[in-house]
Amino acid sequence: DIQLTQSPSFLSASVGDRVTITCRASQGISSYLAWYQQKPGKAPKLLIYPASTLQSGVPSRFSGGGSGTEFTLTISSLQPEDFATYYCQQVNSIPLAFGGGTKVEIK
Amino acid sequence: EVQLVESGGGLVQPGGSLTLSCAASGFTFSIYPMTWVRQAPGKGLEWVSSISSGSGGTKNYADSVKGRFTISRDNSKGTLALQMNSLRAEDTAVYYCAKYLAGATRAFDSWGQGTLVTVSS
Repeated sequence: DIQLTQSPSFLSASVGDRVTITCRASQGISSYLAWYQQKPGKAPKLLIYPASTLQSGVPSRFSGGGSGTEFTLTISSLQPEDFATYYCQQVNSIPLAFGGGTKVEIK
Repeated sequence: EVQLVESGGGLVQPGGSLTLSCAASGFTFSIYPMTWVRQAPGKGLEWVSSISSGSGGTKNYADSVKGRFTISRDNSKGTLALQMNSLRAEDTAVYYCAKYLAGATRAFDSWGQGTLVTVSS
């Protein structure tokens, strides 16, 4: 089974900051990685799939990169609505797996 | 507009059973694989089960639920179901149904609001 390790698990940042979240896979998954945003009490929202392709309607300040075993989600200029928890997900093989999440909070 | 509405959650005793339903609308339900994902209180996301499009002949399960949970779909009604047996305290979670993104992919582009399952005596 493929495991995903996200870092950091918690991130404190200010509006306007550039933030980067890393997701490492236990084995190579090519670009079969998705990123989700989840706000408290809400369902997750798909931001990026495959690894670097923004889904329709997602602001361009979000970007994804990487392939193989190391991936990044970058927010170029953090906005108030971006404070949330972010999850990566490998979709390369069953069982599907999510990373542990990165909570982005206001400094 | 895609809509997924889960129902059927509630309080159940350990060892009990519960069936969750997900009513889909706004898209051609039969041509999309579907999935269940859960989230224990204060915890991260956990994939539970997926079912293929069409007749739903391919079903996959997380090891944590294999042999206890059964996923199914009724294309005529546009509904997805998750039958949960032999429930344990660790099954307590919000259960989301989600739709696969179009194309040969397993990312999930639309989610329901979730239904809470609490397993407790």
